[in-house]
Amino acid sequence: DAKTTQPPSMDCAEGRAANLPCNHSTISGNEYVYWYRQIHSQGPQYIIHGLKNNETNEMASLIITEDRKSSTLILPHATLRDTAVYYCIVNYGGSQGNLIFGKGTKLSVKP
Amino acid sequence: DGGITQSPKYLFRKEGQNVTLSCEQNLNHDAMYWYRQDPGQGLRLIYYSQIVNDFQKGDIAEGYSVSREKKESFPLTVTSAQKNPTAFYLCASSIDLFGPYQPQHFGDGTRLSIL
Repeated sequence: DAKTTQPPSMDCAEGRAANLPCNHSTISGNEYVYWYRQIHSQGPQYIIHGLKNNETNEMASLIITEDRKSSTLILPHATLRDTAVYYCIVNYGGSQGNLIFGKGTKLSVKP
Repeated sequence: DGGITQSPKYLFRKEGQNVTLSCEQNLNHDAMYWYRQDPGQGLRLIYYSQIVNDFQKGDIAEGYSVSREKKESFPLTVTSAQKNPTAFYLCASSIDLFGPYQPQHFGDGTRLSIL
């Protein structure tokens, strides 16, 4: 079973920031938080990952709470092409072999 | 451009037949993975391989088989023993199996339908 809890769906207006929450209350000290997204009928795409500190790259920002029990993925200026299912995954940093993809959050960006 | 190629995009087979899904990568990655996705669901790991001639069962390996004779190729065979094979199959690769800094790169999937 997935170690994370995400809302099943969210809407966002085009041009606005999309804030996608994820709860991972049982995360352990050596587990990372990963975010992937899947556009309809395509393979998932890696977005960002983090351990303790907030992270930012060209796609998004990841904010992890101090107790690490939750995190938020931020898409600063959502576009229609950001409509996708977003997966929050918690995984031991030492192995890629068992990433568990739950049902994710379906983000709909509307004009 | 480097990437993962899955073929075919759509595949139809009669019940009781084995079918092999192709996955090729030119990213020079050591690790490769196969996932299954059912409608409205997340991905479930079928098999993964850390290196040539080595592979491990994932969560739902029953009814599936794989081989890893070349670094670039990781074909998946859906056998007649798989009770409900109709699904979307995704192949992925990463630089290696261990280490958090190498994300998995995915192909665009094969949609298998059993008639």
